Amino acid sequence: SYDLTQPPSVSVSPGQTARITCSGDALPEKYAYWYQQKSGQAPVLVIYEDNKRPSGIPERFSGSRSGTMATLTISGAQVEDEADYYCYSTDSSGNHWGVFGGGTKLTVL
Amino acid sequence: EVQLVESGGGLVQPGGSLRLSCAASGFTVTNNHMSWVRQAPGKGLEWVSIIYSGGFTYYADSVKGRFTISTDNSKNTLYLQMNSLRAADTAVYYCARGVISGTYYFDYWGQGTLVTVSS
Repeated sequence: SYDLTQPPSVSVSPGQTARITCSGDALPEKYAYWYQQKSGQAPVLVIYEDNKRPSGIPERFSGSRSGTMATLTISGAQVEDEADYYCYSTDSSGNHWGVFGGGTKLTVL
Repeated sequence: EVQLVESGGGLVQPGGSLRLSCAASGFTVTNNHMSWVRQAPGKGLEWVSIIYSGGFTYYADSVKGRFTISTDNSKNTLYLQMNSLRAADTAVYYCARGVISGTYYFDYWGQGTLVTVSS
């Protein structure tokens, strides 16, 4: 099965830049997506197709992909950005649906 | 406004059955590619099943042969029939609307419904 690997946790102070990585063998060829999940809430799409922000997502959220790694960057992280973040992508099997990374707990304090 | 509201979760014994519902508004379920995604307590997200707008269905290996995904156009509702339930199926189940743009990804999610399989 295909795996996307994320660090279990990232910690920054308010106003600092937070970077969350996601590595996967198929990422050189496949888009990455990022979901934010606050405690007790449903996931919310924050980045799609590597670097696009859905309507309503603050500009401080950005994404990039290079080689086998995708990165979610939160520039000037706010306390309200504290959440679990999941990357999502597909493998090269031809299936449309993909897999989620294990998630990264972002602490902002 | 797109909204998804799940219902039908609860406590069920191992081997039992449960049917989850996901009522949609702001769009037509049968014109979209809909999925169920689950999250075991304290764990990550796991895709469970998809039903394409054309009616084709696919399942994760972990639920194949036990779960059935379906839609009702008249009620604009997505369902997940879960049979032969196991403790490992305990999770919050989310319905999600999908978009195919090369990859299939989820743009809107419901709030989830908790399924607990325990004796």
